[in-house]
Amino acid sequence: GESVGLHLPTLSVQEGDNSIINCAYSNSASDYFIWYKQESGKGPQFIIDIRSNMDKRQGQRVTVLLNKTVKHLSLQIAATQPGDSAVYFCAENKAAGNKLTFGGGTRVLVKP
Amino acid sequence: EAGVTQFPSHSVIEKGQTVTLRCDPISGHDNLYWYRRVMGKEIKFLLHFVKESKQDESGMPNNRFLAERTGGTYSTLKVQPAELEDSGVYFCASSVRTGGLETQYFGPGTRLLVL
Repeated sequence: GESVGLHLPTLSVQEGDNSIINCAYSNSASDYFIWYKQESGKGPQFIIDIRSNMDKRQGQRVTVLLNKTVKHLSLQIAATQPGDSAVYFCAENKAAGNKLTFGGGTRVLVKP
Repeated sequence: EAGVTQFPSHSVIEKGQTVTLRCDPISGHDNLYWYRRVMGKEIKFLLHFVKESKQDESGMPNNRFLAERTGGTYSTLKVQPAELEDSGVYFCASSVRTGGLETQYFGPGTRLLVL
């Protein structure tokens, strides 16, 4: 697959447990952050976003936390399901309309 | 509503040949982006169109890559001549700005292998 050769950190989680995926960003000028999920053979799929004037945002089973002091972003998935198995990417940009800068990705494996 | 589509899904070519990738954005999306992920690396930005104009092409690796978006609808990305290091997955994304926010929606990608 396309991830061959890409040494991704892997998070192995039991079905039903909560998952936490972390991401560090480098550009202190970034003001918009997004989490994407990529399943094998598909493109990145939008999960949730957050603007820099917020520190927490919740969606359906997902929560994104932003700590601008240490330039850290996390994605929490509640009650992880087998369908959550994928590679998760954080992305940032300086202002809406600009290019996204992606992190390296984290592979989540859900064990039944 | 149809999502972003890309063609072909896979392409295997020999070094020195030409390949043209196509992206059809979501209808009504003025912004169109090309990204790629080469083996072992993260997804990297290539360029950004607003309608038919190139807004930012700072990520284009060299002059072997040519992107067009005539008419402001679909876009093509041509690689000529292809080199081994061009192998990877090429993604297209489109977006529309709503209330100052802009979510980029990605296509499934074209997997390019240069032999």
